[in-house]
Amino acid sequence: SQTIHQWPATLVQPVGSPLSLECTVEGTSNPNLYWYRQAAGRGLQLLFYSVGIGQISSEVPQNLSASRPQDRQFILSSKKLLLSDSGFYLCAWSGDPNTEAFFGQGTRLTVV
Amino acid sequence: GQQLNQSPQSMFIQEGEDVSMNCTSSSIFNTWLWYKQDPGEGPVLLIALYKAGELTSNGRLTAQFGITRKDSFLNISASIPSDVGIYFCAGQGGGTSYGKLTFGQGTILTVHP
Repeated sequence: SQTIHQWPATLVQPVGSPLSLECTVEGTSNPNLYWYRQAAGRGLQLLFYSVGIGQISSEVPQNLSASRPQDRQFILSSKKLLLSDSGFYLCAWSGDPNTEAFFGQGTRLTVV
Repeated sequence: GQQLNQSPQSMFIQEGEDVSMNCTSSSIFNTWLWYKQDPGEGPVLLIALYKAGELTSNGRLTAQFGITRKDSFLNISASIPSDVGIYFCAGQGGGTSYGKLTFGQGTILTVHP
């Protein structure tokens, strides 16, 4: 069966520090991968999605970037965090484009 | 871009009552999904709908894909305390929105024992 792993679960980082969140998927190949951000426990905003290695699409301009160095690995990064980057970050995967997406457990990021 | 209007924003009900929530959109979607999220965790898929008019059940949950492809509802029958959480609808538009989900703002459900 397929599983998705996301870490760390919580992270407290100072303003201006770098960020790296990692997500990996097991049990499937060539998944579509997504990074979402959720603010205040409501509404999920799509940040990035990827349909293959090295293929990244950004949904909104921001202080973050994403990379997909391997088929089942998706990384969310920032060179310098801002206070406004605080939030709950969720990684997700799906098989075919129009099928359901499955989420990781999320990372609670607090920028101080 | 595509937007989903989910209502109600919150519900406070007694255990045993039935619950209904819905999502509407000005755009057509190819897929409707319903998720539940517990505090501090990622959303968990409850029901997936792929055809206009489709009615699907999962235990006490029932969801329908609107015939116009612009709306969906989720019903929960005989609610229990563990139904507490945030429920999200999500739609996939296909075409240029390849595989991306558009989420509603969520319905916060509180169940009083």
